[in-house]
Amino acid sequence: GESVGLHLPTLSVQEGDNSIINCAYSNSASDYFIWYKQESGKGPQFIIDIRSNMDKRQGQRVTVLLNKTVKHLSLQIAATQPGDSAVYFCAENPPSGTDKLIFGTGTRLQVFP
Amino acid sequence: SAVISQKPSRDICQRGTSLTIQCQVDSQVTMMFWYRQQPGQSLTLIATANQGSEATYESGFVIDKFPISRPNLTFSTLTVSNMSPEDSSIYLCSVKRGSGNTIYFGEGSWLTVV
Repeated sequence: GESVGLHLPTLSVQEGDNSIINCAYSNSASDYFIWYKQESGKGPQFIIDIRSNMDKRQGQRVTVLLNKTVKHLSLQIAATQPGDSAVYFCAENPPSGTDKLIFGTGTRLQVFP
Repeated sequence: SAVISQKPSRDICQRGTSLTIQCQVDSQVTMMFWYRQQPGQSLTLIATANQGSEATYESGFVIDKFPISRPNLTFSTLTVSNMSPEDSSIYLCSVKRGSGNTIYFGEGSWLTVV
């Protein structure tokens, strides 16, 4: 299938290591944030979300950290696997009265054996 | 998770023609969103489609180029009009669903304009 994110920043990690993907968001009033994973040829897949009243949320092998002071979001993936190879996008929901999202530029995660 | 079906999944189109993309959701939703993802780029919101009213377009997108229909609470269409190679993109439908009010995406419609 077609490749997504041919010119994106790339993070290369060894299988089994932990990965940390960072994102700076734009609107200090945004109150909801989501991380998506996009594999080649597919649409974005929801990974984990966090609301602005929290600074950390954990899922299965993933953790999202929110630092509102510096408008920074990170996604931590534990014990990275080859199936984690994809482009990862953060998205913020600004206080627009709707559910529209503003997406970050994306990071390509490459996992090598 | 929501089941969001898009048609066509991919197409090759001649410049100057128009193509209508369909989005079908497995349950009723108030808002549906259309995004564009140009090659190597992130996602950009085109418009928000509410049932029974005109779509709300983001800056840089106009109704004449991207007319949208929302005839009921489970279906929407996006038309890409008078296509040029610059319209080659993935067009994605999105809705908010589930107990956690999570925002989900379809698999996208991958258009190539030649």
